[in-house]
Formats: sequence, structure tokens, C-alpha cells
Amino acid sequence: DGGITQSPKYLFRKEGQNVTLSCEQNLNHDAMYWYRQDPGQGLRLIYYSQIVNDFQKGDIAEGYSVSREKKESFPLTVTSAQKNPTAFYLCASRMGGGAWNEQFFGPGTRLTVL
Amino acid sequence: AQTVTQSQPEMSVQEAETVTLSCTYDTSENNYYLFWYKQPPSRQMILVIRQEAYKQQNATENRFSVNFQKAAKSFSLKISDSQLGDTAMYFCAFSTNSGYALNFGKGTSLLVTP
Repeated sequence: DGGITQSPKYLFRKEGQNVTLSCEQNLNHDAMYWYRQDPGQGLRLIYYSQIVNDFQKGDIAEGYSVSREKKESFPLTVTSAQKNPTAFYLCASRMGGGAWNEQFFGPGTRLTVL
Repeated sequence: AQTVTQSQPEMSVQEAETVTLSCTYDTSENNYYLFWYKQPPSRQMILVIRQEAYKQQNATENRFSVNFQKAAKSFSLKISDSQLGDTAMYFCAFSTNSGYALNFGKGTSLLVTP
């Protein structure tokens, strides 16, 4: 089955720790995205990548980092610099060719800081 | 700034009735694309319908249709013959050919009651 997988589904972090959220897609999509969802806030863009080895900051990139070494993978690291990391994180991917193309979303990771 | 406003945080409709969810947006771009995504309790984001800004004809997908008013920058979603499975959070979003990421509204929580 083609799709996007995110792991883990639930993640707990102690303050001061870095954690990495996994996102893998087998749709052969060029572009990948990370969004953060908070109650009442909708989805906000953290980082995006349109091609391997290249990525751009979104609206709320502070305290996060990403890499795009392979087309299928776009991991997100939540660093200790992120002061309020508890949220639901969604990864998405999209075929190249224009903004019309649908973004497909993974099932999400719920991160909780203890 | 590019913004999306959904003025109805919560709505309720009875099964088989029709409901309209409102969305307004602001962008200086001339070429853009509009989307409605659905997020049921499973939290999986699903594309409901999309519209190209340069097309005047309103998009329709089965029971879902939009009313696109470009001059007013309005993009409402109409759900006909509402079903219990339509209960979800609905997000309005738009994308431009600058980066292709989605700009989301804060969402409308729709409850369909028997």
C-alpha cells in the first residue's frame, strides 16, 4: 500500500531532551512538509522540502530542525530550544508540478513534554 | 500576509440536512488554489474538495460543493444530505505557486446529530 507513515504515534519527552519524529513516504513524491497542530490553532507550517538535500523554514521553524537525505524520508527533530513542544505533528507529501496537487498526510505523532 | 479565516468554531446539523461552512482568505497572489480538508476523530487529514482560483465554475464532489466568490475572497463549503460520518473538524486552506505549502484556517468543528 502506498502512503505516509509516521512514528511513533505517541512520544514523551523530558524537558531539555531532543527528540526525532520519523516520516516516510512511498508515494514517490518530491515535496514533503511538517505541520504542527495545536487546539484552536489549525495547522502551522514548520519546514518543507521540495527536493532532496534542500529544505526551507516555515512560519514556526524556531526550535526545530530537519534533514532530507533521501526522497522517501523527512525526519523532524524537536530540540530543547523549542519552549512549548507539546502538540500534534503532521507530516505531508505532494507530487511535484504545482500547488494544485493534493497534499497527502500521515497519521500524525502526538508529542508530550513531561 | 496570507491568512485564512474560519469564523465558525463549531457547528451542528441534523442528519440529512444541509450545512454551509464559511471561509475567507487574504492573499496578494493572482494564481492560487483553495482546499477543504476534513479531520475526523481519527485525526487523519482527508482532502474533501479543491478549487482553482482562475476557474469561475464552482467545484462539486458528490454531496460536497463550494461557493467560490473571488472578488470577496470567500470559499464556503456546502455539505448536502449530511451523514453521521461527516462529523469532523473541517479546515479551509489555500496554496500558491510560491513554495506550495498550505495556509490553513483554524478549523470548524462540525457535529452531525441523528
